[in-house]
Amino acid sequence: GQQLNQSPQSMFIQEGEDVSMNCTSSSIFNTWLWYKQEPGEGPVLLIALYKAGELTSNGRLTAQFGITRKDSFLNISASIPSDVGIYFCAGQLTTDSWGKLQFGAGTQVVVTP
Amino acid sequence: DAGVIQSPRHEVTEMGQEVTLRCKPISGHNSLFWYRQTMMRGLELLIYFNNNVPIDDSGMPEDRFSAKMPNASFSTLKIQPSEPRDSAVYFCASSLGGQGNSPLHFGNGTRLTVT
Repeated sequence: GQQLNQSPQSMFIQEGEDVSMNCTSSSIFNTWLWYKQEPGEGPVLLIALYKAGELTSNGRLTAQFGITRKDSFLNISASIPSDVGIYFCAGQLTTDSWGKLQFGAGTQVVVTP
Repeated sequence: DAGVIQSPRHEVTEMGQEVTLRCKPISGHNSLFWYRQTMMRGLELLIYFNNNVPIDDSGMPEDRFSAKMPNASFSTLKIQPSEPRDSAVYFCASSLGGQGNSPLHFGNGTRLTVT
């Protein structure tokens, strides 16, 4: 099962609004990843974070690796209808070098025109 | 470049039947992962391979599940006999394992329904 707490579970927003979601863990991670999953497809990597404090942007997406190494957030600015999907955070354990990840339960984003 | 390729996309079978799911990882990736996704439990790691060798199969639910990776470009996940509670979406993912920070790339999954 999951060991990450991801919130909120779901968000219903209007087009143009900003979206913010976060993940917290009781474990320290050395990598935080954010994925998006659309219906009928596998998760697609959005942003990868490798250093505590790191702030990374990918278009309208911005993600940060928390200083404590136990949390991360993802922001989506000026949402559009194609932002609909489930967003997952994932953390890689410090001692694990084979890409084995712990996944959050996901945040379902619904954007209305 | 082609991504991770899984087949079939959908599988409907009767309880007790054998099910085989297939995966072709991204060329050059040396780590392969099988995940199961359900509403109740989210994404769960079942097993992962590095250089075709199973490294951790602690997530495999029980002896009915088995996975093989006969070469660097092919893996199978087999369920025998299948049960209704095995119904889920099964994802294969690959990465450049052993490189420290190497994100997973997922296939589009196989949706399994066991009746």
